[in-house]
Amino acid sequence: ETGVTQTPRHLVMGMTNKKSLKCEQHLGHNAMYWYKQSAKKPLELMFVYNFKEQTENNSVPSRFSPECPNSSHLFLHLHTLQPEDSALYLCASSQDPQQGQETQYFGPGTRLLVL
Amino acid sequence: AQSVAQPEDQVNVAEGNPLTVKCTYSVSGNPYLFWYVQYPNRGLQFLLKYITGDNLVKGSYGFEAEFNKSQTSFHLKKPSALVSDSALYFCAVRRNNAGNMLTFGGGTRLMVKP
Repeated sequence: ETGVTQTPRHLVMGMTNKKSLKCEQHLGHNAMYWYKQSAKKPLELMFVYNFKEQTENNSVPSRFSPECPNSSHLFLHLHTLQPEDSALYLCASSQDPQQGQETQYFGPGTRLLVL
Repeated sequence: AQSVAQPEDQVNVAEGNPLTVKCTYSVSGNPYLFWYVQYPNRGLQFLLKYITGDNLVKGSYGFEAEFNKSQTSFHLKKPSALVSDSALYFCAVRRNNAGNMLTFGGGTRLMVKP
């Protein structure tokens, strides 16, 4: 395992539900990321947090709301999602990206199905 | 803008034969290049990266990749494929001094047959 855990591993929700995805890293990293992996599409970066501050929002709809209370935890709050939001959501972490070279380490992902 | 192309959706190779998974990139400035592997129902695992230095980079599980600046390529290679290498492989790139925003290719499925 990479030291990045995600819960739940699988989630089924209706379009009116509110749910949250959780990511935790045990690597002492400072940066955390959310990615979306859909079938037949390249991996899409959603959000980047560095030292708990959001540094990137890649034009993600507001029905996805990230939260980073500390450098070890990252949440993705979901509400009023659409069926096309069904995907594998991957969390990653790295050392301070401003230092340039750091490798991102990924969690196992949460497989989300929106009905 | 930066982009990555993996021209093959799938690569088939017999066990014991050499394998190559292709990647070409487009980026301004010096590229940082990465290969990741994804097994079924798992996240991405880091294989290797090129930042600077030798064009031939060695990584995990016997994989290596060669950076070719003139051809803007970073092909993944292994001298002798194993059935357990069957997985989805992703190439990624980012610009130097661009934080850590990676752009991923669409992925190549590697099938190694006994």
